[in-house]
Amino acid sequence: DADVTQTPRNRITKTGKRIMLECSQTKGHDRMYWYRQDPGLGLRLIYYSFDVKDINKGEISDGYSVSRQAQAKFSLSLESAIPNQTALYFCATSEGGRYEQYFGPGTRLTVT
Amino acid sequence: GESVGLHLPTLSVQEGDNSIINCAYSNSASDYFIWYKQESGKGPQFIIDIRSNMDKRQGQRVTVLLNKTVKHLSLQIAATQPGDSAVYFCAERSGGGGNKLTFGTGTQLKVEL
Repeated sequence: DADVTQTPRNRITKTGKRIMLECSQTKGHDRMYWYRQDPGLGLRLIYYSFDVKDINKGEISDGYSVSRQAQAKFSLSLESAIPNQTALYFCATSEGGRYEQYFGPGTRLTVT
Repeated sequence: GESVGLHLPTLSVQEGDNSIINCAYSNSASDYFIWYKQESGKGPQFIIDIRSNMDKRQGQRVTVLLNKTVKHLSLQIAATQPGDSAVYFCAERSGGGGNKLTFGTGTQLKVEL
């Protein structure tokens, strides 16, 4: 969905490195989310934000942090990357009062 | 804990046939359900949703059926086309505050020519 963009699309990094994944949206939505997707598992929520001043942990927040720099921008950081953080990472947005979420194209992260 | 799951990991259908993808959920308090399509290398794409006060909803070539008695959700795709080949997964909103969704693992739909 061109309304939600993620950078980079692919990234290979080494264990111990700090890495940031960025998400931008032009949908004007207040709510933004970060998920990871692993083979055989459903999308799992890492962090979410309902507005610029609101940050909430999801079910798997350990080892991750986020920053909501503006309504349109939500970044995910891996403080010290480890191999089991190798996964597809998706950003999503939703409009306040509605439940459907709109996803970006994803970032494929490999930690060696 | 609560879970959302799919009965079949892979479904193969002939082009032109109808497809039915199933999803079981276990949280009787869930009040909203949504189906996504994910093509290879892309992010999930919203297909159709349904609230728990409905048992059927139709879109363009797709129908979602909700059976709250047996906690079952299905996605029907009419006249399946090659472009329908993708992973389909359901998600549920378990109630309470916020927009958080719980996602199933997905079914791979393969359309054979």
